[in-house]
Amino acid sequence: DGGITQSPKYLFRKEGQNVTLSCEQNLNHDAMYWYRQDPGQGLRLIYYSQIVNDFQKGDIAEGYSVSREKKESFPLTVTSAQKNPTAFYLCASSTGLAPSYEQYFGPGTRLTVT
Amino acid sequence: GESVGLHLPTLSVQEGDNSIINCAYSNSASDYFIWYKQESGKGPQFIIDIRSNMDKRQGQRVTVLLNKTVKHLSLQIAATQPGDSAVYFCAGLGRALIFGQGTELSVKP
Repeated sequence: DGGITQSPKYLFRKEGQNVTLSCEQNLNHDAMYWYRQDPGQGLRLIYYSQIVNDFQKGDIAEGYSVSREKKESFPLTVTSAQKNPTAFYLCASSTGLAPSYEQYFGPGTRLTVT
Repeated sequence: GESVGLHLPTLSVQEGDNSIINCAYSNSASDYFIWYKQESGKGPQFIIDIRSNMDKRQGQRVTVLLNKTVKHLSLQIAATQPGDSAVYFCAGLGRALIFGQGTELSVKP
């Protein structure tokens, strides 16, 4: 089955620890994205990557880092510098080509930092 | 700047009625829009999209209307069913998709 996987579904960490969220896609998509969703809120863009070995900051990149060493993988690290890391994190991918920019989403990882 | 927003945070409809969810966008947001459905604890799922050279697009039980004059788009769901209960997001294409805050649709049996 083609799709996007995120693991784990739930993640718990102590304050001050870095944590890496996994995102893998087998859709052969060039572009990948990370969003953060807080309760009752829309999705906010953290980082995106349009091609391997290249990525761009989104609207709320502070306290986060990413890498794109492989086309199918786009891991997100939540660092201790992120002031409010507890949230639902969504990874997405798209072909990145017109006419459709539809993004396919993974199931999400719910991170709780105490 | 770019922004996409929704008029109402919640919408409650009777099963079988039609639902209309609205969305507004700013001047420079996009020429391409998508509606997503998100069920609790899951990632968003694509419903329907529309480009700015269109006023209307129909899918199965869903219709998206785009009014470029007032920078407004809407999602209409015909004969709403309990399975339609979810949060609905509109998104416009900027450097990546820009998402509105979402409208939670509740369907009463």
